[in-house]
Amino acid sequence: ETGVTQSPTHLIKTRGQQVTLRCSSQSGHNTVSWYQQALGQGPQFIFQYYREEENGRGNFPPRFSGLQFPNYSSELNVNALELDDSALYLCASSLGGPFSYNEQFFGPGTRLTVL
Amino acid sequence: DAKTTQPPSMDCAEGRAANLPCNHSTISGNEYVYWYRQIHSQGPQYIIHGLKNNETNEMASLIITEDRKSSTLILPHATLRDTAVYYCIVRPSQGGSEKLVFGKGTKLTVNP
Repeated sequence: ETGVTQSPTHLIKTRGQQVTLRCSSQSGHNTVSWYQQALGQGPQFIFQYYREEENGRGNFPPRFSGLQFPNYSSELNVNALELDDSALYLCASSLGGPFSYNEQFFGPGTRLTVL
Repeated sequence: DAKTTQPPSMDCAEGRAANLPCNHSTISGNEYVYWYRQIHSQGPQYIIHGLKNNETNEMASLIITEDRKSSTLILPHATLRDTAVYYCIVRPSQGGSEKLVFGKGTKLTVNP
């Protein structure tokens, strides 16, 4: 059983650019959540996807968008990057969907630096 | 906002029990208490969760007070590898989303 993987590990972009981060869910998991973790803070929920549909969103602007694919892998896209977008981006997968509370398994994260 | 309050940091001697407190005085009757930890430069790792009864697994024990307003995570024999930030989370019971609301957690340092 493979765990949650994320790519790339590190990324450097400049302000105004666009970025795509990728996540492969743990085998059999159909739900994926994305979190942003600024330095010294706890992770903040961005959004969640269940069976390719967005199922809940945190307090993030529309320039943060996502996709979930039929194989349950997922992408996080961020447009018009700002300096404050520099953070560790975490993907978490779980089995279930709305109204289920199975534990979430996190990937190692992608460290994004915006210059 | 997180519904929990934790001390920002704690120290523990290797081999001793580490007791990490968490206050969740506004918890609702059907909300669970979850604990995750995050070792430096890694993603958070699930530890344990409970509703009202005490729970134990191979990693830790969770003690929840009778009024459910606070809990304690116990690592019975802390090792250097237990040095991490520990997050106590109250799982939202409404909204249909599995989102986890993290606070700043407790940075536990296990000393040799």
